Amino acid sequence: DTAVSQTPKYLVTQMGNDKSIKCEQNLGHDTMYWYKQDSKKFLKIMFSYNNKELIINETVPNRFSPKSPDKAHLNLHINSLELGDSAVYFCASSQTGLGEQYFGPGTRLTVT
Amino acid sequence: SQQGEEDPQALSIQEGENATMNCSYKTSINNLQWYRQNSGRGLVHLILIRSNEREKHSGRLRVTLDTSKKSSSLLITASRAADTASYFCATDANGGFKTIFGAGTRLFVKA
Repeated sequence: DTAVSQTPKYLVTQMGNDKSIKCEQNLGHDTMYWYKQDSKKFLKIMFSYNNKELIINETVPNRFSPKSPDKAHLNLHINSLELGDSAVYFCASSQTGLGEQYFGPGTRLTVT
Repeated sequence: SQQGEEDPQALSIQEGENATMNCSYKTSINNLQWYRQNSGRGLVHLILIRSNEREKHSGRLRVTLDTSKKSSSLLITASRAADTASYFCATDANGGFKTIFGAGTRLFVKA
């Protein structure tokens, strides 16, 4: 069983469109995260949630809206996509905010 | 600014040699972690060292932490071609829930 899964794996879309990425974890963890990895492999945290509550919003444009319907899911909706949004987006989970994190396989978003 | 920074940026060694990667960070931490990322994949947790620990081992991995210098090192002994990957250090901030990753070291192990 996959511990942290993301869909879709690849997403190609045009500027101005709205898209969503879904994330699910079956580890029973309380904390979930979204990260953005740019073309230089630099990984930056975007959001963290604990028990469905937003804890960290790392100065992400409000075009990005995370939603956590329950502890096992953390989805990311992006409005009005821009070229600079092209990156790989990773979802992760951990038991606490200080523990080891389990990462999903990533979603490669390409905005044309 | 970035919390963790690593050097070297890239490292190429022969199979069987040891690989050492270093990480520096800027603020006080609760723990420091190392992750591996194979090309096109998600990150995989390798080892966590707490701020009150100085050294930790896991298989062929040895991690040290010097909180006075705000630095850590990851040593991979007897490297294998399968160790080829990017390695990232990660530190916590804001009391947790905000993990800051370094820029990573790209390790290439030649068979």
